[in-house]
Amino acid sequence: QSALTQPASVSGSPGQSITISCTGTSSDVGGYNYVSWYQQHPGKAPKLMIYEVSNRPSGVPDRFSGSKSGNTASLTISGLQAEDEADYYCSSYTSSSTVVFGGGTKLTVL
Amino acid sequence: QLQLQESGPGLVKPSETLSLTCTVSGGSISSSSYYWGWIRQPPGKGLEWIGSIYYSGSTYYNPSLKSRVTISVDTSKNQFSLKLSSVTAADTAVYYCAREAVGATTFDYWGQGTLVTVSS
Repeated sequence: QSALTQPASVSGSPGQSITISCTGTSSDVGGYNYVSWYQQHPGKAPKLMIYEVSNRPSGVPDRFSGSKSGNTASLTISGLQAEDEADYYCSSYTSSSTVVFGGGTKLTVL
Repeated sequence: QLQLQESGPGLVKPSETLSLTCTVSGGSISSSSYYWGWIRQPPGKGLEWIGSIYYSGSTYYNPSLKSRVTISVDTSKNQFSLKLSSVTAADTAVYYCAREAVGATTFDYWGQGTLVTVSS
């Protein structure tokens, strides 16, 4: 199975909004509403930020939102804050009944 | 609060078998709502799903690793384990265990991770 495609890096200034894309195929992202997003700070375990495309777990700020169009899912962070600087990964269920992750995106807050 | 903790050797020789255990506390591994999974991350690289197991013993694996992976569960100890055979330097990674919601393939609780280095 091939990894989902994410941009290697994105950046934004405090207060701005950024969007990270996650592109797959009709056999994964496009075929199911089982896309998740994870935030990972250096040396730490990933933290779930979004599940089932657009749902936020309890405790995740509403500045984080998710969406999907066709084979591409997106994570949007509005009102960017310094602590949002981290690596972000998407994942999806696949038609082979497996899980595939994206390659990861490094977010830099300028 | 649910907690997961990985344990096992931090150094494994090439061609040998990597063995790790994840101990779950603050909740039951026998819950019908969750699978229990292993994910790894080579140094400086992205996340790779290895496989997941249900409390009944039902498993599903990453096809690229399936021939070398065995995941098992011990409900009496509230633990699940990973065995990866015939390891090479490419298997050097931080290995995480995590709880996976049934039907959603979402990992909502993670262990802190443990670095396993494959070297002679």
